Amino acid sequence: GAGVSQSPRYKVTKRGQDVALRCDPISGHVSLYWYRQALGQGPEFLTYFNYEAQQDKSGLPNDRFSAERPEGSISTLTIQRTEQRDSAMYRCASSLTAGTGGIDEQFFGPGTRLTVL
Amino acid sequence: AQKITQTQPGMFAQEKEAVTLDCTYDTSDQSYGLFWYKQPSSGEMIFLIYQGSYDEQNATEGRYSLNFQKARKSANLVISASQLGDSAMYFCAMREGRTGNQFYFGTGTSLTVIP
Repeated sequence: GAGVSQSPRYKVTKRGQDVALRCDPISGHVSLYWYRQALGQGPEFLTYFNYEAQQDKSGLPNDRFSAERPEGSISTLTIQRTEQRDSAMYRCASSLTAGTGGIDEQFFGPGTRLTVL
Repeated sequence: AQKITQTQPGMFAQEKEAVTLDCTYDTSDQSYGLFWYKQPSSGEMIFLIYQGSYDEQNATEGRYSLNFQKARKSANLVISASQLGDSAMYFCAMREGRTGNQFYFGTGTSLTVIP
């Protein structure tokens, strides 16, 4: 009964470097979401997938951010040419169904704390 | 306009008393879902309770209940008999029907339960 896992848990990088954050959802979950959470704030939606298809990427701040889920399971959020303002907790969540209504709660991973120096 | 508004950045509650955390939402959809999550200091996000827009009864889950007032667009969380372990951040969230599965979260309420 593994939950959502994310790696790495902590990432420190220098400004200008690229980073890749990984999310491993609960097995069998159709939908996968990426959020960014600043300290003391609620999660801010970035993007989500149903299976391998990216359904909505309206929350991605700019074109330095991208995400993929090529086989409908593990997802990677990539930030290119990182900037200090990218420092935050990046959270992944998964849900069993694909937005068909009902409870469909999201199960969150522990997050990756990204610090850009 | 904010989709989810939580007006109480921080709250204190006496142990064993009931506490209400406020949440108002903004949507023009008829079909939507409302959620509450708890985030303790460890950082995990724990699902607490769900209310569907068509549910006529207020949702309850153990010591948690959701006071759903549709006309006022409010979905307050009530924690009965609060415990020290209830001290945490609490987030209200909404999923709108027309936007598929995108969730909107509020800014959270930090609850501290004192003995």
